Amino acid sequence: EVRLVQSGAEVRKPGDSLKISCETSGYNFTNYWIGWVRQMPGKGLEWMGIIYPADSDTRYSPSFQGRVTISVDKSISTAYLQWGSLRASDTAMYFCSKHDTMKDWGQGTLVTVSS
Amino acid sequence: DIVMTQTPLFLPVTLGQPASISCRSSQSLVHSDGNTYLNWFHQRPGQSPRRLIYKVSKRDSGVPDRFSGSGSGSYFTLKISRVEAEDVGVYYCMQGTQWPGTFGQGTKVEIK
Repeated sequence: EVRLVQSGAEVRKPGDSLKISCETSGYNFTNYWIGWVRQMPGKGLEWMGIIYPADSDTRYSPSFQGRVTISVDKSISTAYLQWGSLRASDTAMYFCSKHDTMKDWGQGTLVTVSS
Repeated sequence: DIVMTQTPLFLPVTLGQPASISCRSSQSLVHSDGNTYLNWFHQRPGQSPRRLIYKVSKRDSGVPDRFSGSGSGSYFTLKISRVEAEDVGVYYCMQGTQWPGTFGQGTKVEIK
């Protein structure tokens, strides 16, 4: 059974850094693109970026290029999404998803950025 | 980016009656490999999205056969033949033909 389990909710201040995780199991992590989707409060879904764990080839949506960094740790089958300097507008639910089929999703990580 | 436009954005439905959601893309979704990567997702409040339909009309395992997808090129439709209470939530079309994949704005389905 494919599982994607995300790290818990986070509350941060503007300017803080943050790294959230998506731990996977049940499939060969290395061989499938995995990505992150943002859902701002009461809004729709947006692909942020995807990464191919075998070689860390990463593609970002233009809207998120330079704002976030997507990475993986193959040894523990985990993908990450990180920010160097958070803004209030980064407040959202973030989902990871196995990109090839988009059948498998994490449960979401709520990030709240507030002073 | 390819823009996906859904109509309507709000759809009140009567239990047992049919429902239909349209999705239009700003350019053809036919990939160079000949496939059309148009998906439909359902999201209930507080839950992750669930894929219902892929490649325009292929139903995912476990998805009731009252859901069907159709269309081609730039125009697509999701139909529910007889709405049930569990079908409430927001439905999104999403194109995977060109990176970045893009979603429609979402259609909120509620029971009248």
